[in-house]
Amino acid sequence: AQTVTQSQPEMSVQEAETVTLSCTYDTSESDYYLFWYKQPPSRQMILVIRQEAYKQQNATENRFSVNFQKAAKSFSLKISDSQLGDAAMYFCAYRRRDDKIIFGKGTRLHILP
Amino acid sequence: SQTIHQWPATLVQPVGSPLSLECTVEGTSNPNLYWYRQAAGRGLQLLFYSVGIGQISSEVPQNLSASRPQDRQFILSSKKLLLSDSGFYLCAWRGDFYTGELFFGEGSRLTVL
Repeated sequence: AQTVTQSQPEMSVQEAETVTLSCTYDTSESDYYLFWYKQPPSRQMILVIRQEAYKQQNATENRFSVNFQKAAKSFSLKISDSQLGDAAMYFCAYRRRDDKIIFGKGTRLHILP
Repeated sequence: SQTIHQWPATLVQPVGSPLSLECTVEGTSNPNLYWYRQAAGRGLQLLFYSVGIGQISSEVPQNLSASRPQDRQFILSSKKLLLSDSGFYLCAWRGDFYTGELFFGEGSRLTVL
């Protein structure tokens, strides 16, 4: 069965610095999608970035980028120039072939002013 | 534009009482719909998945059930709540056919006493 593991329950970063959140997953599929979602204190989940497994190029969205290592089944999120508004719970997610989306347990990110 | 709504936002119920959480999507037709539960330390757990009216897939055995009486309506129910049913319930719809990106509702906080 597919699983998603986020090994860092909490992380802290100084404002304006860079932080990397880790995610590993387990699958036997060759084509799939991976996502990072953000859940701020308001609890509204929003998509941060997505990656198609067949694309070797790492996805980038402004200050957010991923390091996708397909062979290692690793999908980390890098946040550059951290801002106070980045403080949130971050979830890594995997889309299974049957369309079900599986989430990790999340990493709570604190931004230190 | 498409929107998704959940209600009630907050609910406090005694053990053994029934439950009904409702989710409605507007601005799209035949959406794939999901119910997730977010409990402390467990991330987002997929509960139910629906591809159409009357079509429900259950991910884990539990005290809950789901129904889809109309194309854009998804209901989470229980006949008798348990303490372990407490949590934050999120409804989502699959907004992108190809990537599987999910759009989430505002969530429903359930406390069972």
